Amino acid sequence: AQKITQTQPGMFVQEKEAVTLDCTYDTSDQSYGLFWYKQPSSGEMIFLIYQGSYDEQNATEGRYSLNFQKARKSANLVISASQLGDSAMYFCAMLEGGLTGGGNKLTFGTGTQLKVEL
Amino acid sequence: DGGITQSPKYLFRKEGQNVTLSCEQNLNHDAMYWYRQDPGQGLRLIYYSQIVNDFQKGDIAEGYSVSREKKESFPLTVTSAQKNPTAFYLCASSIVGGDFYEQYFGPGTRLTVT
Repeated sequence: AQKITQTQPGMFVQEKEAVTLDCTYDTSDQSYGLFWYKQPSSGEMIFLIYQGSYDEQNATEGRYSLNFQKARKSANLVISASQLGDSAMYFCAMLEGGLTGGGNKLTFGTGTQLKVEL
Repeated sequence: DGGITQSPKYLFRKEGQNVTLSCEQNLNHDAMYWYRQDPGQGLRLIYYSQIVNDFQKGDIAEGYSVSREKKESFPLTVTSAQKNPTAFYLCASSIVGGDFYEQYFGPGTRLTVT
């Protein structure tokens, strides 16, 4: 079973509009962390935002916010006031169980390609 | 500036040759990781290391080898045993501790084997 599911292969949004990128996850751990990364066409992975499973408030970082619904196991990324430079691939990822013998192994989804239009 | 460097950005090799990808970090992170990315897909973990002289296999370690002789360096060798070596390879590093820490990524190396 997929641990991280991103069901939107591609999304379009108009400049200055808000957009939500979906992410659902599957884990039996009580303690885990959820991350969103941005990958521009140049290829590097840029960390955007983090949500811990015990955090009661949704994480926010500038124009990025994470809509965390623990019971539904979803961690959607919301980008407000989209800019042309937001056009990129976006990946949701999960770390399970903290530092254990298994190490900090990030599990990635397959990504959503976002295109911001004028 | 602190960060992760990977060299070269593009690498071309003939089938049957081993090739080593470089990864260096000056973030003073204990943990380092190697990921592989195929077109249209997410990243898959090849190997990771939490401390010098120790490393563990990830999900797709077959056909790859690593070493961790220095904290700053974590080179990846793609051996001739790797059946489909053409891919984009990303190196990352992170703090090790009791919380969940983001991984910082290098710019990647695009390997083409013909």
